[in-house]
Amino acid sequence: AQSVTQLDSQVPVFEEAPVELRCNYSSSVSVYLFWYVQYPNQGLQLLLKYLSGSTLVKGINGFEAEFNKSQTSFHLRKPSVHISDTAEYFCAVRRNTGFQKLVFGTGTRLLVSP
Amino acid sequence: ETGVTQSPTHLIKTRGQQVTLRCSSQSGHNTVSWYQQALGQGPQFIFQYYREEENGRGNFPPRFSGLQFPNYSSELNVNALELDDSALYLCASSTAGGGGMYEQYFGPGTRLTVT
Repeated sequence: AQSVTQLDSQVPVFEEAPVELRCNYSSSVSVYLFWYVQYPNQGLQLLLKYLSGSTLVKGINGFEAEFNKSQTSFHLRKPSVHISDTAEYFCAVRRNTGFQKLVFGTGTRLLVSP
Repeated sequence: ETGVTQSPTHLIKTRGQQVTLRCSSQSGHNTVSWYQQALGQGPQFIFQYYREEENGRGNFPPRFSGLQFPNYSSELNVNALELDDSALYLCASSTAGGGGMYEQYFGPGTRLTVT
C-alpha cells in the first residue's frame, strides 16, 4: 500500500518570497508522484507530475518539484509566490502499474499575504 | 473540449436517506473514479469504473455504489446516509482503466451535507 505525509498543515508566506511545501511518501513498489492545487470551492487541478527520468519536474504557474528516491520525498517549490497562489495543495501517489487509484496526503494550506 | 462536470453542486440530505450524484466525463475518456473529501482532509478513493464495470474499490462500505453508462458518464449512490458522509465528492475521468500513465481530470465536486 502507498501513503503520503504532508507535515505542514499550513504555510504562511509573504508575497514574492520563496516557498517549499513538503511531501514524503511510502511505497513498496515504484510510483508516480503528483501535486494538485485546490482553490476554494473548486475541484483539483494538476500542477505537475513525476513519472520517470529527470528528478526535477517543472509544472504550471512557476511551480517545480524534486523527486528524491533515497529520502522518499517530492517537495514542491516556487521561487516567488503571488497572492493568487493562496490555496490548498495536495501531494498524491499512485502505483506505476495496475489501476489508477490516487492516494492523497492531507494537504497544505498556502497563505500568501501582502 | 468540455471538462468534467458534476451535479448537483450542493445537496442537503437527512440521515437515513439515499442520494445520487452525477458525473459527466471529459470527451474521449472511458474511466471514471470517485473520491470523498471530508473537511480538512485529502480526497479518499471510493471506486473506479472502466467501460461500465467497477474495476477497483477503496475502503468504503457496500452502501456506496456506482454505475457507469455507455456514454461513460457515471453515478455515485449512497444509501442509508450517515452524518460522516458529509463531504465533497469528486469525480475524475481519464482515458484508460488499466495501468500506464493516464492523467485524471477532476470535476468541481458535489458538496453533500447530511443533517
